[in-house]
Amino acid sequence: NAGVTQTPKFQVLKTGQSMTLQCAQDMNHNSMYWYRQDPGMGLRLIYYSASEGTTDKGEVPNGYNVSRLNKREFSLRLESAAPSQTSVYFCASSEAVWGLEAFFGQGTRLTVV
Amino acid sequence: AQSVTQLDSHVSVSEGTPVLLRCNYSSSYSPSLFWYVQHPNKGLQLLLKYTSAATLVKGINGFEAEFKKSETSFHLTKPSAHMSDAAEYFCVVSRNPGFQKLVFGTGTRLLVSP
Repeated sequence: NAGVTQTPKFQVLKTGQSMTLQCAQDMNHNSMYWYRQDPGMGLRLIYYSASEGTTDKGEVPNGYNVSRLNKREFSLRLESAAPSQTSVYFCASSEAVWGLEAFFGQGTRLTVV
Repeated sequence: AQSVTQLDSHVSVSEGTPVLLRCNYSSSYSPSLFWYVQHPNKGLQLLLKYTSAATLVKGINGFEAEFKKSETSFHLTKPSAHMSDAAEYFCVVSRNPGFQKLVFGTGTRLLVSP
């Protein structure tokens, strides 16, 4: 069982460059999420998709865009990377119903120089 | 709105001694509460969850947590620490009922010494 797969695992960007982080899940979950993790701040929600065809902003959406390509895939795009976007990014999926476990990918470590 | 406060950023214990990681929550609704663990350079794994059933919840690897509504707390405990427990632990709250949008605490790093 692959679960939630993120690519790439590591990336270095120059300021102003763009890139897309890919996420795919094979658990047939309706909901998918993108979080960023920064030291001392826990995980903060960037965007989420409650179901296929919908996306919504989370706590820290500025500088990011997302696409729910289909039920399996949810991508995160940085249009013009900034050093403040240096972080570890996690994709997660779950059923939309409360109380059910969310499954996380292994993370993408992004450095913007 | 929901939020969680993890009261300690670091906790140090010796192997074989009890573990206590503290979490207080705030929620406008009846909450679902979770503890997740993150080992170095790994993703997050669910330890246990509370969803309005039994207030004492048992999880994996000998961890348990007690939901105390009067104290708005959901502390994580383990009777005897193991070296492999060294990791970062996150307390998480979600609205109940409603769409599951997880709100994370800032994390507690557990250090276990021999």
